[in-house]
Amino acid sequence: TQLLEQSPQFLSIQEGENLTVYCNSSSVFSSLQWYRQEPGEGPVLLVTVVTGGEVKKLKRLTFQFGDARKDSSLHITAAQPGDTGLYLCAGETGTASKLTFGTGTRLQVTL
Amino acid sequence: DSGVTQTPKHLITATGQRVTLRCSPRSGDLSVYWYQQSLDQGLQFLIQYYNGEERAKGNILERFSAQQFPDLHSELNLSSLELGDSALYFCASSVWDSYTEQFFGPGTRLTVL
Repeated sequence: TQLLEQSPQFLSIQEGENLTVYCNSSSVFSSLQWYRQEPGEGPVLLVTVVTGGEVKKLKRLTFQFGDARKDSSLHITAAQPGDTGLYLCAGETGTASKLTFGTGTRLQVTL
Repeated sequence: DSGVTQTPKHLITATGQRVTLRCSPRSGDLSVYWYQQSLDQGLQFLIQYYNGEERAKGNILERFSAQQFPDLHSELNLSSLELGDSALYFCASSVWDSYTEQFFGPGTRLTVL
């Protein structure tokens, strides 16, 4: 069973602070995706990383895929209340397109 | 709006009953995936269909079944419902069946009393 552990599990910060969320596994993934989910809604895809060592930036969000394709991180600069939500990483293996989701990081950004 | 629709949005039923959840994928998407999200288990993959055929199976109970119809919409059937089946059920779709990004619907919240 492939497991994706995310840390921290919960994070409460003030507007303007920086934060990093980690997604770790002992398995190798062909690609890794990050989603954000708001209460009562489905996860929304933020980014997909495919190449080991790849770094992608989406405005204030920076995503990195580990060199060995077993881990990933999401860094948010100058967090805003609109960043509040559940952040999920999801890894895909090459044998099937089913995604293995991480345990989730619940972020709350207050004024 | 992801373009994936799910009905109903909420469903309340009793133990032992059977329900059907419906999903319409984004226009042009051939793959449909079903997920269950509960507080203690997180988001769990149940099953995937691609162009009408079962493609991959995850942690789906024998009491649950799914199918994808010629118009590509999908239904998830849950029978002999138990209290522990209460959860959010999400459908996602993607264009192909591998190396693709999945787009999630708004979910169906099932409550079993």
